[in-house]
Amino acid sequence: AQSVAQPEDQVNVAEGNPLTVKCTYSVSGNPYLFWYVQYPNRGLQFLLKYITGDNLVKGSYGFEAEFNKSQTSFHLKKPSALVSDSALYFCAVSSPNSNSGYALNFGKGTSLLVTP
Amino acid sequence: GAVVSQHPSRVICKSGTSVKIECRSLDFQATTMFWYRQFPKQSLMLMATSNEGSKATYEQGVEKDKFLINHASLTLSTLTVTSAHPEDSSFYICSATLITDTQYFGPGTRLTVL
Repeated sequence: AQSVAQPEDQVNVAEGNPLTVKCTYSVSGNPYLFWYVQYPNRGLQFLLKYITGDNLVKGSYGFEAEFNKSQTSFHLKKPSALVSDSALYFCAVSSPNSNSGYALNFGKGTSLLVTP
Repeated sequence: GAVVSQHPSRVICKSGTSVKIECRSLDFQATTMFWYRQFPKQSLMLMATSNEGSKATYEQGVEKDKFLINHASLTLSTLTVTSAHPEDSSFYICSATLITDTQYFGPGTRLTVL
């Protein structure tokens, strides 16, 4: 079985400060890890993914995430937050060995609020 | 690139009627499409996996006779909610894969059943 945990329901950060949105995972085999962002009443936008290779992954809009195998984590980070980054962020995992193939298993989501 | 559309974006229907939602990959051919359901302030729950030309694979607890999925071509999958009831009201989101590891999501369809 595969699962994702996002321990924080909400993260608040001031504009210009660095932000971190946490994600840990549990999967048998090698994980495929993703971050998506959702704006109100919209679908999900792909931010970045880790499949293999360099543990630090750079994605859209200045976001990056670091794959840490020993801690089974894939935290999302950005050096300087913008008010427009305020949205709902989902971490997701898939595994080619799972029964659902590449279907994604999502965390519950973390609401990011960036204040001016 | 990798744009996925959904139609309609919003639909309101009476209890007992059926509603069809279309999911299209606009600029790529998607061998696999996924259907998710999202309740307010909650995460996405996978309903079914749809492969072109074959029957959909439903997740446990999802009624295949109620949520009919057809993947007629490499760019179109449809979800039909049959005999809809108020508890079916939800946000339905589809996704499509160009390469097997990355899913691209549609904008979602808000279904309200009165």
